[in-house]
Amino acid sequence: NAGVTQTPKFQVLKTGQSMTLQCAQDMNHEYMSWYRQDPGMGLRLIHYSVGAGITDQGEVPNGYNVSRSTTEDFPLRLLSAAPSQTSVYFCASSGTERGIQYFGAGTRLSVL
Amino acid sequence: SQQGEEDPQALSIQEGENATMNCSYKTSINNLQWYRQNSGRGLVHLILIRSNEREKHSGRLRVTLDTSKKSSSLLITASRAADTASYFCATVAPGGSYIPTFGRGTSLIVHP
Repeated sequence: NAGVTQTPKFQVLKTGQSMTLQCAQDMNHEYMSWYRQDPGMGLRLIHYSVGAGITDQGEVPNGYNVSRSTTEDFPLRLLSAAPSQTSVYFCASSGTERGIQYFGAGTRLSVL
Repeated sequence: SQQGEEDPQALSIQEGENATMNCSYKTSINNLQWYRQNSGRGLVHLILIRSNEREKHSGRLRVTLDTSKKSSSLLITASRAADTASYFCATVAPGGSYIPTFGRGTSLIVHP
């Protein structure tokens, strides 16, 4: 049982490039979310999904797109990377346990 | 903006001592959770306390919740070097999507 899998683990982009951070879970969880973690800022919610075909914005959605075509996958797209998007990105999923989150190992992204 | 704010930001203790971290939040909650993050890893759920509960235990962890003061505390008894990590509180709002909002965290160092 893999849990929540994020790929890649590390990525370096140039300003203006686009990329997709992948997230997959095998726990049949309805809820999935993306957070970014910056030093001294804790985790901030980017986008979340309460089921396939349903997504919504979190606290810091600008510059990011998401879609949820299957229960298992929730990719995060950076449309035109900016240095301000240098961060560690975490994907999480949750089932019926009142919001208990299961986190992936994170993707460390640097935008030059 | 963060819902929960942890205090202190950093805590350094000796092995065998107790560690207490506090969390204050601003609006009503369905539940409050505590997570642990080891350096370079994803967050791991530790314990959840519902809004109608006042205290909960799990092994060496004790969590209290005071909804009148909008605050919670996490006590780790008889700390070990392996408890060295960052600890985050997260709040889930009532009637919503069960997506938690995280605080900035407390960095705990336990010296052997």
